[in-house]
Amino acid sequence: NAGVTQTPKFQVLKTGQSMTLQCAQDMNHNSMYWYRQDPGMGLRLIYYSASEGTTDKGEVPNGYNVSRLNKREFSLRLESAAPSQTSVYFCASSDGQGARETQYFGPGTRLLVL
Amino acid sequence: AQSVTQLDSQVPVFEEAPVELRCNYSSSVSVYLFWYVQYPNQGLQLLLKYLSGSTLVKGINGFEAEFNKSQTSFHLRKPSVHISDTAEYFCAVNYGGSQGNLIFGKGTKLSVKP
Repeated sequence: NAGVTQTPKFQVLKTGQSMTLQCAQDMNHNSMYWYRQDPGMGLRLIYYSASEGTTDKGEVPNGYNVSRLNKREFSLRLESAAPSQTSVYFCASSDGQGARETQYFGPGTRLLVL
Repeated sequence: AQSVTQLDSQVPVFEEAPVELRCNYSSSVSVYLFWYVQYPNQGLQLLLKYLSGSTLVKGINGFEAEFNKSQTSFHLRKPSVHISDTAEYFCAVNYGGSQGNLIFGKGTKLSVKP
């Protein structure tokens, strides 16, 4: 049982390049999330997917797109990377009990945009 | 606006000393409260949660937290810390309603010294 997995672990991009961060979970969870973590800022929600086939914007969605490929996989795409998107990105999935839910996190992707 | 405040950004303590990490939230009718721990270069792991019932909640690794509605606080405590407790700790609050509404504090870095 791997839990939540993310690829890649590290990535360096040049400004304007694009990339897709991959996330998969094997816990049969309905809900999945993408966060970014910046020093002194805590975690901020980028997008989430309450169930397969649905996605919603979070606090900081600008510059990102997401795809809920199937129940297991939720990807995050940067179409034209900017230095402000340098961050650590975490994917999470949850047991979907609404406000009472527990979220389970992946190990993160560290992204540097030059 | 709904918010979560972690009052200390860094807490240095000596091994075997007690520790308290403070968390306050905005007043609300119903809240669900979580503490997550992040070890260096890892994802977040659930430490404990308060959903309802007893206001004293016990978690993993000997940590506990007390929900205080009148003080709008959810402080995390451990009577005797170990070197291995060195990590960053995040308080998170879901104010109820729809999903995607988990708000994180900015984190407290606990540094345990020998």
